[in-house]
Amino acid sequence: DTGVSQNPRHKITKRGQNVTFRCDPISEHNRLYWYRQTLGQGPEFLTYFQNEAQLEKSRLLSDRFSAERPKGSFSTLEIQRTEQGDSAMYLCASSALDYGYTFGSGTRLTVV
Amino acid sequence: AQSVTQLDSQVPVFEEAPVELRCNYSSSVSVYLFWYVQYPNQGLQLLLKYLSGSTLVKGINGFEAEFNKSQTSFHLRKPSVHISDTAEYFCAVSVGIQGAQKLVFGQGTRLTINP
Repeated sequence: DTGVSQNPRHKITKRGQNVTFRCDPISEHNRLYWYRQTLGQGPEFLTYFQNEAQLEKSRLLSDRFSAERPKGSFSTLEIQRTEQGDSAMYLCASSALDYGYTFGSGTRLTVV
Repeated sequence: AQSVTQLDSQVPVFEEAPVELRCNYSSSVSVYLFWYVQYPNQGLQLLLKYLSGSTLVKGINGFEAEFNKSQTSFHLRKPSVHISDTAEYFCAVSVGIQGAQKLVFGQGTRLTINP
C-alpha cells in the first residue's frame, strides 16, 4: 500500500490549453473523491466516484471539467480551455469505508 | 447546509506553549467532525475524528479535540507545541452524498511556532 498517488505534482500551462491530472487510489478503495484548494482556502468538493460510477458532482465543476474512473481503478480529471481562475491545488482522496479518507499530495496547477 | 467556521486564520505560539485552534460547525443533523493538518506543498493528513462516543478525542502527534454539541464546537488542543507543528490546520464536517460522505472544510488556521 503506497497511499494515494497523484501525477503530475506540478503543472504550468498557458491559458486556453487543456490539462489532465491522474489519481491512483489505494487499490482496495472503491470510493474516490476530487477536491480543489485555492490559496488560503480549505479544500472544496468537486466530484465523487464509487467504483467506475460518478455519483456526485459539485456545481463548482463547470462544463470545462470532466472526470473519469475507467474500470474503477485510477481516475483522471481534465480541464479544457484553462482559465487563470483554475489555478489551484487539485487533491484526490480515496476510501473504503465512510470517514476513512486518505488524501494524495495533490497536483498544483498554475495557469499563465 | 452544513458549514464549518475556523475562528482564527493565524495563530502564533511560542515553542512548548499550549495551543487551541477553534472550530465551530453548523448542522441540523448528527455530525461527524475531523481535523486535518497540511504541511507546505503536501496533501492532508488526518489528525483525529469524532464519529460517536466519548466527546474527548485523542489523535496523532499529541493533539486532542473536544466535541461540544451545545456550543457546536470542536476545538483542537495541544498542551505543548513543537517547531514541527508549524502547518495549516483544517476542521471539517462530513456531509452525506449518494452512498458515501463528502467533507466540508473550514478556511484553515495557520499555526506558526516561534522558538
